[in-house]
Amino acid sequence: EAQVTQNPRYLITVTGKKLTVTCSQNMNHEYMSWYRQDPGLGLRQIYYSMNVEVTDKGDVPEGYKVSRKEKRNFPLILESPSPNQTSLYFCASSLTSGEQFFGPGTRLTVL
Amino acid sequence: AQSVSQHNHHVILSEAASLELGCNYSYGGTVNLFWYVQYPGQHLQLLLKYFSGDPLVKGIKGFEAEFIKSKFSFNLRKPSVQWSDTAEYFCAVNPRMDSSYKLIFGSGTRLLVRP
Repeated sequence: EAQVTQNPRYLITVTGKKLTVTCSQNMNHEYMSWYRQDPGLGLRQIYYSMNVEVTDKGDVPEGYKVSRKEKRNFPLILESPSPNQTSLYFCASSLTSGEQFFGPGTRLTVL
Repeated sequence: AQSVSQHNHHVILSEAASLELGCNYSYGGTVNLFWYVQYPGQHLQLLLKYFSGDPLVKGIKGFEAEFIKSKFSFNLRKPSVQWSDTAEYFCAVNPRMDSSYKLIFGSGTRLLVRP
């Protein structure tokens, strides 16, 4: 089954404690991205990757890092999380048309 | 800057009422257009898409959307909503002449359908 998976689905952490949210897709898509979803703001792109070892900033990259060492994986790293990063995070992989396939989401709370 | 506007943030309807959600975008070039739906507690799923051809496109669950190029609009419609259509709806635009993978989202419209 074609899918995008994310782990963990729910995470509660404290300010400053480094965390990683994993993302994996089995559709051999070159393009992957991370979004955060906040009420009234829709989805905002954090980072994206056009291919292995090629990443770039989206609209709200501050406080986040990513890596793309393999085509299928695109982890999101928060080196020092802060409460304003409490949000719902979605990973997506994409066809060249822009049509995106979303993971199930990770709800992060930073205390 | 490119942007997508969804003017209705919250819509409340009774079952069997007709639905129209507005979407306008600001980009002068060729675009691919999408509507995504997010049911409570779930991830975004594709409802329908437009790349070219007939500007009236049909999606899943009885939804359709019309692309009006002169108005930079891609409004979503459904003749008769059901309680199960309660969800948040996002319009999204892929500016084809820009980064070909990029998708710009509107802020979403929350639809509540009362039984």
